[in-house]
Amino acid sequence: DIQMTQSPSSLSASVGDRVTITCRASQGISNYLAWYQHKQGKVPKLLIYAASTLQSGVPSRFSGSGSGTDFTLTISSLQPEDVATYYCQKYNSAPLTFGQGTKLEIK
Amino acid sequence: EVQLVESGGGLVQPGGSLRLSCAASGFTLSSYGMNWVRQAPGKGLEWVSYISSSVGTIDYADSVEGRFTISRDNAKNSLYLQMNSLRAEDTAVYYCARPQEYYDYVWGRYRPLHMDVWGKGTTVTVSS
Repeated sequence: DIQMTQSPSSLSASVGDRVTITCRASQGISNYLAWYQHKQGKVPKLLIYAASTLQSGVPSRFSGSGSGTDFTLTISSLQPEDVATYYCQKYNSAPLTFGQGTKLEIK
Repeated sequence: EVQLVESGGGLVQPGGSLRLSCAASGFTLSSYGMNWVRQAPGKGLEWVSYISSSVGTIDYADSVEGRFTISRDNAKNSLYLQMNSLRAEDTAVYYCARPQEYYDYVWGRYRPLHMDVWGKGTTVTVSS
């Protein structure tokens, strides 16, 4: 099975900072990758799909890039409401594996 | 409003069974495949199972294969997860989630894409 590895596992940044989270697949998955935001006590929220397509209603400060094995999620200017755990997920074939998550906090 | 509402969670002893339900509203369930995803306490998200919109395609995570059964009743706009031989490691919040789908003509089956609608989850605790 293809493994998804996110880095870093946790991250602390200041409001207004540019934040980048990476996700690496153990084999190529083309662009079959999504990014989700999961706030404590809330429902996971789709941010990005097809590696770089912004889901409707998601702020434009979020962006995704990559193809094959290496992907990134970027927040261009960190806001207090962005505190959450972020997950990548591959969906080229079953199992639909998630990365282990990146916990983002405000410094 | 598009909505998914899970129910059926609770406390069950190891080796026991539980059936989760997911009621869909605001959209026609028969037009969509569906997933179950879980999150164990202090852990990340884990995909559990997928059932396609049209009869024929079901996938399971290795961790639940042979113990869990996903099914749907389109007339009731509902999704189910029958969980048997439950273990302590099955303790988690269980979410139903709606993926977009595409038909893979090479393999002759539907495949799930990204999940754009999630329920609020139901908690399953396996403990003696």
